[in-house]
Amino acid sequence: EVQLVESGGGLVQPGMSLRLSCAASGFTFDDYAMHWVRQAPGKGLEWVSGIRWNSDKVAYADSVKGRFTISRDNAKDSLYLQMNSLKPEDTAFYYCVKTHVTGWCFDFWGQGTLVTVSS
Amino acid sequence: EIVLTQSPGTLSLSPGERATLSCRASQSVSSNSLAWYQQKPGQAPRLLIYGASNRATGIPDRFSGSGSGTDFTLTISGLDPEDFAGYYCQQYGSSPLTFGGGTKVEIK
Repeated sequence: EVQLVESGGGLVQPGMSLRLSCAASGFTFDDYAMHWVRQAPGKGLEWVSGIRWNSDKVAYADSVKGRFTISRDNAKDSLYLQMNSLKPEDTAFYYCVKTHVTGWCFDFWGQGTLVTVSS
Repeated sequence: EIVLTQSPGTLSLSPGERATLSCRASQSVSSNSLAWYQQKPGQAPRLLIYGASNRATGIPDRFSGSGSGTDFTLTISGLDPEDFAGYYCQQYGSSPLTFGGGTKVEIK
């Protein structure tokens, strides 16, 4: 059974940093690209960032480029999102997602971790 | 960036009725790389359709996807009570990946 378990969310002040982690199990982690998708409370879905299986290609939404860094550790079956210079508009549930075998759509989602940026 | 516009914003229907949800792209979606997701309150989204028309594993055959280029449709043929939820389309043919704003299917 595929499981994606996010951790690291919480309440932070604007300008501060936070690191999210995602522990994956139930599939061969290093066979798949992985992504982060976020959803502000009561709002729609927004793709944040993605990373290929061997980390040779990463991509970011313009809204987080230069502030967020995605990474992975295939030896630990883990995905990370380093978030710096956080803004109130970054407040959202952050989902760790696994890509489908056919492309960058998402066939498994974690339960999400809430990041709240507020003074 | 490809902008996806979903319509209607809210669809009010009764159980057993047919639901037709639209997703229009601001430019052609490469290789029909269009997916549909269902999301219920308090839950993560669930993949329904990938490649515009392929049902994901375990998805009932009352869900079907169609379309190409810039116009895509999700059809639910006979709404089950568990189908009342939010639905999102997503294009993954070009970066940045983008989602539509969503359609809420509610009980009439």
